[in-house]
Amino acid sequence: EIVLTQSPATLSLSPGERATLSCRASQSVASYLAWYQQRPGQAPRLLIYDGSARATGIPARFSASGSGTDFTLSISRLEPEDFAVYYCHQRTNWPLTFGGGTKVEIK
Amino acid sequence: QVQLQESGPGLVKPSETLSLTCTVSGYSISSDYYWGWIRQSPVKGLQWIGSVTHSGSTYYNPSLKSRVTISVDTSKNQFSLKLTSVTAADTAVYYCGRDSGNSPWDYWGQGTLVTVSS
Repeated sequence: EIVLTQSPATLSLSPGERATLSCRASQSVASYLAWYQQRPGQAPRLLIYDGSARATGIPARFSASGSGTDFTLSISRLEPEDFAVYYCHQRTNWPLTFGGGTKVEIK
Repeated sequence: QVQLQESGPGLVKPSETLSLTCTVSGYSISSDYYWGWIRQSPVKGLQWIGSVTHSGSTYYNPSLKSRVTISVDTSKNQFSLKLTSVTAADTAVYYCGRDSGNSPWDYWGQGTLVTVSS
């Protein structure tokens, strides 16, 4: 099984700052990595798929890059609604797996 | 638009079978894509349970495979999860979702909390 390790576990930032989140895979997932945002009490929401493609309706302040084993999600200027937990997910191999999450909290 | 809704008991006794149904609206599940179940608990985080294709092929997480069955009822536009011999470790929020391949898990249900307790 492919293990996804996210870092940091918690990111404390202020609105308007830039957030940079990392996801590392235990083996190559090519570009088949997705990112999700989860707000309290809600289901995860797809932000990014295939490494860097924004899902429908996702603001341009969200961007992502990477391939192989190292991936990054960036939020250029944090809005109040961006404080949430972010997960990465790979669909290269069965079983599908998710990372442990990075919580972006208000500093 | 596409909507998914989980339904089923919120409390299941240990050793019994957890059964959930996901009703899909706004899209015919017989048309395409994978349809699946993901659960979330504080201990295990997000865990993929398994998926079923529009034609009925199934894929399961090996860690749960011996206890899981996912099936599809195209006449009702629903798919279902059965998890046997549950323990407290199966307590989680269970989500159903659509996996459209390139755009994985683009639609989710709201989630339903299932507690395993006597």
